[in-house]
Amino acid sequence: DAKTTQPPSMDCAEGRAANLPCNHSTISGNEYVYWYRQIHSQGPQYIIHGLKNNETNEMASLIITEDRKSSTLILPHATLRDTAVYYCIVTFNFGNEKLTFGTGTRLTIIP
Amino acid sequence: GEEVAQTPKHLVRGEGQKAKLYCAPIKGHSYVFWYQQVLKNEFKFLISFQNENVFDETGMPKERFSAKCLPNSPCSLEIQATKLEDSAVYFCASSPTSGTPSSYEQYFGPGTRLTVT
Repeated sequence: DAKTTQPPSMDCAEGRAANLPCNHSTISGNEYVYWYRQIHSQGPQYIIHGLKNNETNEMASLIITEDRKSSTLILPHATLRDTAVYYCIVTFNFGNEKLTFGTGTRLTIIP
Repeated sequence: GEEVAQTPKHLVRGEGQKAKLYCAPIKGHSYVFWYQQVLKNEFKFLISFQNENVFDETGMPKERFSAKCLPNSPCSLEIQATKLEDSAVYFCASSPTSGTPSSYEQYFGPGTRLTVT
């Protein structure tokens, strides 16, 4: 699986958009970009995934660059409950592949 | 059920004792995964199952760790003769997949915190 690089920490004001970057310059053509988050010490929670097109769901948007070497997770209106560690994971995903977590980005939402 | 269940929530063992952790995957999910989180952010994959068969055990320590997923029973992860370094949170996840190229996320349980003293 391709390696990812994320900033160790970020702050965002409550109500503003949180933009979390991820570099994955060695991604291969059929690897997906997945985002998970871990709130406090709970189990990781799936957020969104994409292959090459931008994606949006009820939680977030995922913007993937045209060369697929980087992506940005956008939480459009961050709340205090979004404070968590966010993990960008690149994987050949058939649903049965193990997830390789990096160190993630600790996002703190400031009131 | 619609959630991955893990028991117990907390487990304390003296060094050298056995520890056994349980995981009930979401009904209908074919794959079960075990991960170990030692430090706050660092996850390590241990083993995965496709139904009751071992699918990937590349992360499993060869000694002391074993795991099973038997029909009609929760999956289990057992550590024989625990060591201080086994102190961690152990997460189980399940995934609904038939193995075809698609995008299926893993659903994680709340974890079992193992403390070895």
